[in-house]
Amino acid sequence: AQSVTQLDSQVPVFEEAPVELRCNYSSSVSVYLFWYVQYPNQGLQLLLKYLSGSTLVKGINGFEAEFNKSQTSFHLRKPSVHISDTAEYFCAVSENSNSGYALNFGKGTSLLVTP
Amino acid sequence: DAGVTQSPTHLIKTRGQQVTLRCSPKSGHDTVSWYQQALGQGPQFIFQYYEEEERQRGNFPDRFSGHQFPNYSSELNVNALLLGDSALYLCASSLEGQSSYEQYFGPGTRLTVT
Repeated sequence: AQSVTQLDSQVPVFEEAPVELRCNYSSSVSVYLFWYVQYPNQGLQLLLKYLSGSTLVKGINGFEAEFNKSQTSFHLRKPSVHISDTAEYFCAVSENSNSGYALNFGKGTSLLVTP
Repeated sequence: DAGVTQSPTHLIKTRGQQVTLRCSPKSGHDTVSWYQQALGQGPQFIFQYYEEEERQRGNFPDRFSGHQFPNYSSELNVNALLLGDSALYLCASSLEGQSSYEQYFGPGTRLTVT
């Protein structure tokens, strides 16, 4: 069975400051890793994904994440945030089983960017 | 290019009633997954439909059932509603094959059970 832990429920940050949202996972099999963003009253939008290869992946809106297999982590980073980045961020894993790819989500981290 | 659409947007039901939610996948997609997102929580996987069959199921009771039609659209049915079924129900679609891990989400249906 897989599990996803997002270590911070809320992260307040000032505009133009860097931010890191932390995600740890556990799984007994190979997994794919994802970060999704959810703006108020909207569905989920894929920010980035790690499938294999380079451990540093770049996504939309200037976000990037680094896969660390030894620490089973997939932390999300952005060097300079904007007010518009205020949203809920979800880390998710799916089993690399070639069938289905059901997503297992963390509880989310609320990013609040203030001037 | 039409994305994932869901209907209705909001729904209010009484405990014990039954509800049907609908989803049309992104154009060209053939697989539909349903998730339940309770307030303040991450989405939880309910089940996935491919080729009109339930392929995977999460830890949800039999009160939750679904259907996929030949045009790939899907319905989620919930019987004997409980107060705890109040949540945002998200539909996600994907294309079986090389990119089947990439799921596109709709805006969701907000279900309130009173």
